[in-house]
Amino acid sequence: AQTVTQSQPEMSVQEAETVTLSCTYDTSENNYYLFWYKQPPSRQMILVIRQEAYKQQNATENRFSVNFQKAAKSFSLKISDSQLGDTAMYFCAFPRAGSYQLTFGKGTKLSVIP
Amino acid sequence: DVKVTQSSRYLVKRTGEKVFLECVQDMDHENMFWYRQDPGLGLRLIYFSYDVKMKEKGDIPEGYSVSREKKERFSLILESASTNQTSMYLCASSSHSSGRDTDTQYFGPGTRLTVL
Repeated sequence: AQTVTQSQPEMSVQEAETVTLSCTYDTSENNYYLFWYKQPPSRQMILVIRQEAYKQQNATENRFSVNFQKAAKSFSLKISDSQLGDTAMYFCAFPRAGSYQLTFGKGTKLSVIP
Repeated sequence: DVKVTQSSRYLVKRTGEKVFLECVQDMDHENMFWYRQDPGLGLRLIYFSYDVKMKEKGDIPEGYSVSREKKERFSLILESASTNQTSMYLCASSSHSSGRDTDTQYFGPGTRLTVL
């Protein structure tokens, strides 16, 4: 079965510092996409960043970047220069084999402290 | 920008009532999904649809049904609401097509349902 594990239920970081959220997964697929989603308190779930598994280069979106280790099946999210608006639940997700569905991790609650 | 809307942000119903949650997307996406979100359990898929009138059960379909009569609209139905269905319900949509957007799901704002 495909699984996604986010081992840090909660984390905190000082404003302007850097934080890394971890995600590991298990799949037998070879070509797939990986996603990080953000859900601010009482607000909509939005896509933060996506990574294509066949690309060796790690994806970046402004202050957000990933460290993708395909062999280790690890997909961590790094947030640089943390801002108060980064306070949110963060979910890692990837597609189920042969399906349009995504498997989500249980989430990491990130608090940015002023 | 993709827009996914849900009929209500907050809903309070009584045990035994029939409840309809509606979701509309404006990007001509083929796939639509219903999740429930509970603290510590993450997102769990209830049902999804990959085309009009087509549906497949997700991980927790018991007590729910769905309807997709038009491509842009996907409804979740609780035939007889129970207190254990108190939760946040999220709708999402995605495209079949390959390319940059493959597999990316876009979410609605969610409906927080309370069943008394």
